[in-house]
Amino acid sequence: EIVLTQSPATLSLSPGERATLSCRASQSVTSYLAWYQQKPGQAPRLLIYDASNRATGIPARFSGSGSGTDFTLTISSLEPEDFAVYYCQHRSNWPATFGGGTTVEIK
Amino acid sequence: EMQLLESGGGLVQPGGSLRLSCAASGFTFGSYAMTWVRQAPGKGLEWVSTIRYTGERTYYADSVKGRFTISRDNSKDTLYLQMDSLRAEDTAMYYCTKVLRPNGDYAGPFDYWGQGTLVTVSS
Repeated sequence: EIVLTQSPATLSLSPGERATLSCRASQSVTSYLAWYQQKPGQAPRLLIYDASNRATGIPARFSGSGSGTDFTLTISSLEPEDFAVYYCQHRSNWPATFGGGTTVEIK
Repeated sequence: EMQLLESGGGLVQPGGSLRLSCAASGFTFGSYAMTWVRQAPGKGLEWVSTIRYTGERTYYADSVKGRFTISRDNSKDTLYLQMDSLRAEDTAMYYCTKVLRPNGDYAGPFDYWGQGTLVTVSS
C-alpha cells in the first residue's frame, strides 16, 4: 500500500498570503495524484488531478506540481473561502489511498 | 446537472448489516467506475471500494474485504454497498463518488461526490 504523507498538518496564514502544501508518497505514483478541498459539513471537492490539471471551475489561484513521490499544491493568494482541509489522493495502484490532510486556518 | 444521492445509513448494532444505495442522475452512469469513500467523525478520508463501469470487477480496502460488497445496477443508475459484520470502526459518513474519466476501473480522480449517508455502529 502506498502511504501519502501530507505536511504541514496545519498551516496558519492570512488572506492574501501564499499557501504551499506538500504531499509525499512512499513510492512513485508517477503523476497520478489528485488534490481535494473539504469544508466543514461538506463533501470534498476535486481541485487538481494528474498532479497539475485544474478541475472544471477551479480558480487559477490553485495550482499543482510534482511527479514521482513529491507533490505540491499552491494557493497563490488565499481568499476567505479557501480556509479548509486539503487532501491528496493517488490512483497509481490498488488500494487507492488518501493523505492525512492539511488544515489551512486563518492566522 | 450531475447528482449523486446516497441513502440507507443509520444506527446498527455491532455484527449487523446495512445496505447503502446511491442514485445517480445527470450523466451516463453505466459509463463510469464508481467508488465509496468514507470518513470517520473528525478523521480523514478513506477509500473503501471501487466497481468497474461494467460491474464485473471490484476492489476493496483490506479493512472491509470479506465483509462489504459493492455492486451496481446500470439499468437503474444505482450503486450499492452491502455492509455485513459491521464493527464500531465502520462508523463514518459514506460518500458515493464518480470518477472523472469514462470506461475502465480507475481509482480516481473523483469529480463528483454525494452529500453522504451516516452509518453509526453502536450497541
